[in-house]
Amino acid sequence: RKEVEQDPGPFNVPEGATVAFNCTYSNSASQSFFWYRQDCRKEPKLLMSVYSSGNEDGRFTAQLNRASQYISLLIRDSKLSDSATYLCVVNGRSGAGSYQLTFGKGTKLSVIP
Amino acid sequence: DTAVSQTPKYLVTQMGNDKSIKCEQNLGHDTMYWYKQDSKKFLKIMFSYNNKELIINETVPNRFSPKSPDKAHLNLHINSLELGDSAVYFCASSQETQGQKLFFGSGTQLSVL
Repeated sequence: RKEVEQDPGPFNVPEGATVAFNCTYSNSASQSFFWYRQDCRKEPKLLMSVYSSGNEDGRFTAQLNRASQYISLLIRDSKLSDSATYLCVVNGRSGAGSYQLTFGKGTKLSVIP
Repeated sequence: DTAVSQTPKYLVTQMGNDKSIKCEQNLGHDTMYWYKQDSKKFLKIMFSYNNKELIINETVPNRFSPKSPDKAHLNLHINSLELGDSAVYFCASSQETQGQKLFFGSGTQLSVL
């Protein structure tokens, strides 16, 4: 099982649609969770952290289920500018004992006019 | 003002050459990183470094070596370049040593011919 696994995508949705991305992680000792966004040929940027109680930032809602080792991101009222690759990221101890972020492969979203 | 800057943006070179990529951050962060994003868009950590310790991903060939003249800089030296080294290399930094939130540079597209 991969450390961080995401929906394969791509997701092609019309403007105004609601879209959800799922992510699972294998390390049960993982401590913190994030969604990053990466535009084409650009660097990843932090979109939002994911908290145990779930959290919302405008049109974006993130959920965490520690028991199922599952993370989700919901985008409501999709905009053209939401088109990007969304990376699920998990922070936990590596084999060497240090903390490190592990990135999923990403899910590509294309919002269509 | 660019928070994390890396140069060059593009690097095209022949197999067997030695090259360096420079990275600087003006955020006052304690920890810096190098990530590699291959053609399949998978982002993997290569090194993390703060003023106390260097953590090396065991899968990274010893042809790759980070050099940190000071806290704000972490350069990447690559010896005897191979075709498989072609990728986008991202520098990043974080305030926390646990790498909670990363700020990435804009990436260096390395092409080995």
